[in-house]
Amino acid sequence: EVQLVQSGAEVKKPGATVKISCKVSGYTFTDYYMHWVQQAPGKGLEWMGLVDPEDGETIYAEKFQGRVTITADTSTDTAYMELSSLRSEDTAVYYCATLLYPHFDYWGQGTLVTVSS
Amino acid sequence: DIQMTQSPSAMSASVGDRVTITCRASQGISNYLAWFQQKPGKVPKRLIYASSSLQSGVPSRFSGSGSGTEFTLTISSLQPEDFATYYCLQHNSYPPTFGQGTKVEIK
Repeated sequence: EVQLVQSGAEVKKPGATVKISCKVSGYTFTDYYMHWVQQAPGKGLEWMGLVDPEDGETIYAEKFQGRVTITADTSTDTAYMELSSLRSEDTAVYYCATLLYPHFDYWGQGTLVTVSS
Repeated sequence: DIQMTQSPSAMSASVGDRVTITCRASQGISNYLAWFQQKPGKVPKRLIYASSSLQSGVPSRFSGSGSGTEFTLTISSLQPEDFATYYCLQHNSYPPTFGQGTKVEIK
């Protein structure tokens, strides 16, 4: 069974950094890009970026460029999304997902990040 | 970036109604268009990929069509479990971009 299991909810102060993990099982981690999607409370879905676990190559959305770092650890089959210089607008649920493969659409359960002083 | 404009942003419908949601791309995206359904507090679920291909396990009352810049998601006969928010997603070019969502509510 394919599973993407994300780390738990986080509360951070403005200016801090958060790092969320997404541990996969049930498939070969390096076979599929891992994407990250942001969803602010009551808002829509926004693509943040992706990592190719095979070689670590990344692509980031311009909105998050410079603040986001997405990595993949093939020794533990885990993807990470780190977001720095947090501000209140970053309060959101963050999802990892395989996203774009026709027959392989899997999402993590989501991780709520709350940014509050 | 390619902008995806969904319409309507919200709608009220009754069980049994035929529902159509439209997504317009700011430039041609061939058929690189997917539709997702999201219920409150839940993870998005893909319904349609490649504009018109039904994801395995998705009821046949859902269908998608379109190519280029105009796309539609149709629910032929709305069921109680279909009340949710629907998003389109283009992935013809990076960055992938979502529409702003269409909330389908009970009339």
